Amino acid sequence: QVQLVESGGGVVQPGGSLRLSCAASGFTFGSYGMHWVRQAPGKGLEWVAFIRNDGTSNYYADSVKGRFTISGDNSRKTLYLQMNSLRAEDTAVYYCAKAGATEGIDNWGQGTLVTVSS
Amino acid sequence: SYELTQPPSVSVSPGQTARITCSGDALPKKYAYWYQQRSGQAPVLVIFEDSKRPSGIPERFSGSSSGTMATLTISGAQVEDEADYYCYSTDSSGNLWVFGGGTQLTVL
Repeated sequence: QVQLVESGGGVVQPGGSLRLSCAASGFTFGSYGMHWVRQAPGKGLEWVAFIRNDGTSNYYADSVKGRFTISGDNSRKTLYLQMNSLRAEDTAVYYCAKAGATEGIDNWGQGTLVTVSS
Repeated sequence: SYELTQPPSVSVSPGQTARITCSGDALPKKYAYWYQQRSGQAPVLVIFEDSKRPSGIPERFSGSSSGTMATLTISGAQVEDEADYYCYSTDSSGNLWVFGGGTQLTVL
């Protein structure tokens, strides 16, 4: 069965950086696209970024474009989200999610909490 | 930027049919996905590609799409179906994904 385990969350000061990781198992990692989605406390889901299974096509929400970078390592079966210039409004639970054949999300991790605060 | 619009809340009695709508300009050409999120838990896929149900999801969950509106239907809603439901799709380019604002379903 598909398993996605996020790590790397924590408390960071405004303007700081953090790298999230997502260890994947139960499927052929390089054969599917992957998403990052976040959820601020008490708020709805917000799509953050998507990487296609070709590994070279990346897309970002306007709110994070230029600050966040999504990448994947097929040999380690791991997805990453490099987050720079963090702001208070980036505080959220960040979910790693696997895309299905038509690129919508079909499996989710349990999430990792990122808190941006001084 | 692209938006998907859902009603903030829907309320039904147990055994009744709950319908949650999602409207978006690109839905005539793009698939809708639906997720259930119970309090404190990660979301779970309940409908994909407008109307397909993943294995393990009860048959009372169904989806449809017509024009600019997608609909999640829960036939004979149960108390355990109380949750937030989100629709999800892409803009016309297929490269920018967006969630609807979410609908809180109350079954009581």
